Amino acid sequence: DQQVKQNSPSLSVQEGRISILNCDYTNSMFDYFLWYKKYPAEGPTFLISISSIKDKNEDGRFTVFLNKSAKHLSLHIVPSQPGDSAVYFCAASEPWTGANNLFFGTGTRLTVIP
Amino acid sequence: SAVISQKPSRDICQRGTSLTIQCQVDSQVTMMFWYRQQPGQSLTLIATANQGSEATYESGFVIDKFPISRPNLTFSTLTVSNMSPEDSSIYLCSVVEDTNEKLFFGSGTQLSVL
Repeated sequence: DQQVKQNSPSLSVQEGRISILNCDYTNSMFDYFLWYKKYPAEGPTFLISISSIKDKNEDGRFTVFLNKSAKHLSLHIVPSQPGDSAVYFCAASEPWTGANNLFFGTGTRLTVIP
Repeated sequence: SAVISQKPSRDICQRGTSLTIQCQVDSQVTMMFWYRQQPGQSLTLIATANQGSEATYESGFVIDKFPISRPNLTFSTLTVSNMSPEDSSIYLCSVVEDTNEKLFFGSGTQLSVL
């Protein structure tokens, strides 16, 4: 049973516009959420995270929003750049396990068109 | 952040054979993990590689199929035994640095089983 879901397998955005990647989860015990970015032939790299005590975390062009009541988080990239083209995974963890056991979504392939 | 070297980066293997994947970290880490990403699927935790003791396997994964070694705090191997085409996946070594909760990944091993 997939506890973290990314329902959009792909997304195309024009350079300079906003990219919004969505993620839903079913486990109400999740309290820590992360986004990873993956380029071809490379491992995923950490992008940004958010704790369940917050509803927003910002790091430069990247902002993650968390809506606990809806069990939904989103990643906003503004402005989008061609180098942002990659597969983005959201992940979640339960209390006290931290990164020891992350539950990942299936990923969304973002293509930023120059 | 830790630098993780994983090899081989890719391999094509025959059914019934075994492949050992190596993971080397440039610093001592307590927690090392092995993940698998099957085509179109999310990253799934195979096991936690414990230094000096047997690995801890997640549901659906067994030691006979995926034996793991962890001889010290910087190195681990994962063997995929008696391979079948269903084992065709990306296998990823990952670590948690002791100072934070983020998971860092190696570049992965793309395995194709014919």
